[in-house]
Amino acid sequence: EVRLVESGAGLVQPGGSLRLSCAASGFTFSSYWMHWVRQAPGKGLVWVSRIKSDGSSTTYADSVKGRFTTSRDNAKNTLYLQMNNLRAEDTAIYYCARDSITGATSLDAWGQGTLVTVSS
Amino acid sequence: DIQMTQSPSSLSASVGDRVTITCRASQYISIYLNWYQQKPGKAPNLLIYATSSLQSGVPSRFSGSGSGTDFTLTISSLQPEDFATYYCQQSYHTPFTFGPGTKVDIK
Repeated sequence: EVRLVESGAGLVQPGGSLRLSCAASGFTFSSYWMHWVRQAPGKGLVWVSRIKSDGSSTTYADSVKGRFTTSRDNAKNTLYLQMNNLRAEDTAIYYCARDSITGATSLDAWGQGTLVTVSS
Repeated sequence: DIQMTQSPSSLSASVGDRVTITCRASQYISIYLNWYQQKPGKAPNLLIYATSSLQSGVPSRFSGSGSGTDFTLTISSLQPEDFATYYCQQSYHTPFTFGPGTKVDIK
């Protein structure tokens, strides 16, 4: 069974930092590109970032570029999202998601999400 | 960035109804359009990828069509478990933007 489990939720002050983790199991993690998607409370889905299967390439939404860093440890089957200089508008549930191997990006497995709250 | 719009933003329907949701991209995206279903408090679930390919395990009452800039998700006969919010997403170019969602609730 494919499983993605996020952790690292928390309350952080504006300007602070937080690192989210996403533990993967049930599939060959190192073969898949991975994504982060976020959802502010009561709002829609927003794509955040993508990382290549070997970790050699990352792409970010403009709203997080320069502040967030996506990385992975394929030996540990874990995806990370390092979030720095956090803002109130970063408050959201953060989901990690797997990119399907179909040739066209689609997110075929999702974690349960982890809540990040940025507030003083 | 490619902007995605959906219509309607919400709809009320009855079990057994045929439901159609439309998604429009601000520029050409070929067939790189996905549909997700999200229920309250849950993660999204992939329904349709590449405009019309049904994700494994998804009931055949869900179908997708379109190309270029205009796309449609159809539920042929709405079931109780289909009451949820539906999002389209373009995967033609990063950032992989989502539509604002269409909430389907019970009439």
